Amino acid sequence: DAGVTQSPTHLIKTRGQHVTLRCSPISGHKSVSWYQQVLGQGPQFIFQYYEKEERGRGNFPDRFSARQFPNYSSELNVNALLLGDSALYLCASSFEDRRAEAFFGQGTRLTVV
Amino acid sequence: QQQVKQSPQSLIVQKGGIPIINCAYENTAFDYFPWYQQFPGKGPALLIAIRPDVSEKKEGRFTISFNKSAKQFSLHIMDSQPGDSATYFCAARTASGGSYIPTFGRGTSLIVHP
Repeated sequence: DAGVTQSPTHLIKTRGQHVTLRCSPISGHKSVSWYQQVLGQGPQFIFQYYEKEERGRGNFPDRFSARQFPNYSSELNVNALLLGDSALYLCASSFEDRRAEAFFGQGTRLTVV
Repeated sequence: QQQVKQSPQSLIVQKGGIPIINCAYENTAFDYFPWYQQFPGKGPALLIAIRPDVSEKKEGRFTISFNKSAKQFSLHIMDSQPGDSATYFCAARTASGGSYIPTFGRGTSLIVHP
């Protein structure tokens, strides 16, 4: 079975640009969460979606947005990119939005120059 | 405010050694404590997890020790191998209400020399 897949794996953007990151959850999983992992730190929670509805939001500016599609895949959008947005963006999927363990994808490495 | 404090930041041991990674938490509502292993270029993978109703849990060469009164927990890796070289994250979340989103520690980079 395929795990959580994220695309692209690497991305280089210029300050001020917009970026869209994509995530396909494990088959049967209905919840997707997004995390930002800055080099040398643990993942920081950005968003959680379950059944296409936002169930949680971390302490990130409004430049960050996300959505979940009917097939449970998800997109993370970041507007007006800053140098500080450079990080590994991780997507995790789980069967439901509460007690189930989450499984992480390999991440998208975003570099803002 | 860092709710889960992890130490040390890095650790180097010889093959067969027993590296120990420590974590401390502040939020008494946390009642589920997972550990994740992350290799370069990969996402974190769940290694082992514990709930506060037990003081120790073993899975293969990995053991979690939990001290509820001190709000501390630690990961021991028995008979460590070079393949265990990775970054390890502790985390904490609630399992019975409140925030189900895990709060991660800063991570420990482990190197096991052959």
